[in-house]
Amino acid sequence: TQLLEQSPQFLSIQEGENLTVYCNSSSVFSSLQWYRQEPGEGPVLLVTVVTGGEVKKLKRLTFQFGDARKDSSLHITAAQPGDTGLYLCAGASTGGSYIPTFGRGTSLIVHP
Amino acid sequence: DVKVTQSSRYLVKRTGEKVFLECVQDMDHENMFWYRQDPGLGLRLIYFSYDVKMKEKGDIPEGYSVSREKKERFSLILESASTNQTSMYLCASSEHTGTSFSYEQYFGPGTRLTVT
Repeated sequence: TQLLEQSPQFLSIQEGENLTVYCNSSSVFSSLQWYRQEPGEGPVLLVTVVTGGEVKKLKRLTFQFGDARKDSSLHITAAQPGDTGLYLCAGASTGGSYIPTFGRGTSLIVHP
Repeated sequence: DVKVTQSSRYLVKRTGEKVFLECVQDMDHENMFWYRQDPGLGLRLIYFSYDVKMKEKGDIPEGYSVSREKKERFSLILESASTNQTSMYLCASSEHTGTSFSYEQYFGPGTRLTVT
């Protein structure tokens, strides 16, 4: 099972601040997904990145896939309390099982 | 929109009881998954199914079984519930058509199971 390391594990910030969370692995991934999970709910898919170096934007969220397709980052600009939640990355390796591997997540709290 | 529903949001059972958790998806997805989520341990795959009546063990299948009699429904069974099975249980589905496989998973709202 490939390991996906997410950092930081916890993040507590004030409304309006910017932040970046990271997802790293030693494996090459054919695709990588980011999910957000609100307390007491299931994860919700935010984005899929496929191409090395790819950048995708979703309003104030910017997702980047590393050139070597081993890592990814999520940057949030001007965080809002509604961004509070657990951010999970999941990757599917090349030539491996079709079951994605999930990272343990970054728990974000944005204080008003 | 893909919709995945789970039979209960909260469930309290006694040790030794047989527990059924049901999951239904409405997008005709081939693949369905059961995970449990515990603080500090992340999502752990219990079982998955890539077709009706097909099932594969995940990382932690002990103490669990599954059933998939219809494409849209995937059930998780705890044969004899134990306190260490207290957890959040999440069902998910994903698409797989021919040679194209989507790793994008769509999750249900989860079932918070407490075994006392």
